[in-house]
Amino acid sequence: EVQLVESGGGLVQPGGSLRLSCAASGFIFSDYSMTWVRQAPGKGLQWVSSISSSADTIYYAASVKGRFTISRDNTKKSLYLQMSSLRVEDTALYFCARVFQWRGSDYFDYWGQGTLVAVSS
Amino acid sequence: DIQMTQSPSSVSASVGDRVTITCRASQGISSWLAWYQQKPGKAPKLLIYAASSLQSGVPSRFSGSGSGTEFTLTISSLQPEDFATYYCQQAITFGQGTKVEIK
Repeated sequence: EVQLVESGGGLVQPGGSLRLSCAASGFIFSDYSMTWVRQAPGKGLQWVSSISSSADTIYYAASVKGRFTISRDNTKKSLYLQMSSLRVEDTALYFCARVFQWRGSDYFDYWGQGTLVAVSS
Repeated sequence: DIQMTQSPSSVSASVGDRVTITCRASQGISSWLAWYQQKPGKAPKLLIYAASSLQSGVPSRFSGSGSGTEFTLTISSLQPEDFATYYCQQAITFGQGTKVEIK
């Protein structure tokens, strides 16, 4: 059974840092690209960042570029999101998801339960 | 950037109703579109990918159609467990969501 479990969320002051983790199991982690998607309270889904299976291709949303860093450790079957210079508008539930690539496009076929990041003074 | 616009934003329906949600892309995206279902406090669930392919384990009352710039998600006979918010997605862009509520 595919499982993705996020951790590392919490309350942080504006300008602070936080590192999210996503532990994967039930599939060959090193075969898949992975992604982070967030959802602000009461709002829709927003893609944050994606990383290829070997970490040689990385993308960021414009809103987080230069502040967030995605990484992965295939030996530990884990995905990470290092977040710095956090802003109030980064407050959200952060989901990790597995990327399912099909005929030229990416879809997100398995999701974790999310970890909550709250940025407030 | 491609924009995805869903309509309606919300729909009230009864169990057994047929429900159709539309997603429009700001430019042609071939059939590169997915639909997700999200219930409150839960992670999104992939229902449809490549516009019309049903994800494994998803009930056949869900179907998707369309190509180019206009796409639809249809629930043929709404069940109690289908009351949720539905999102379309193209690559890194999601629609704003459509909430299906009990009438």
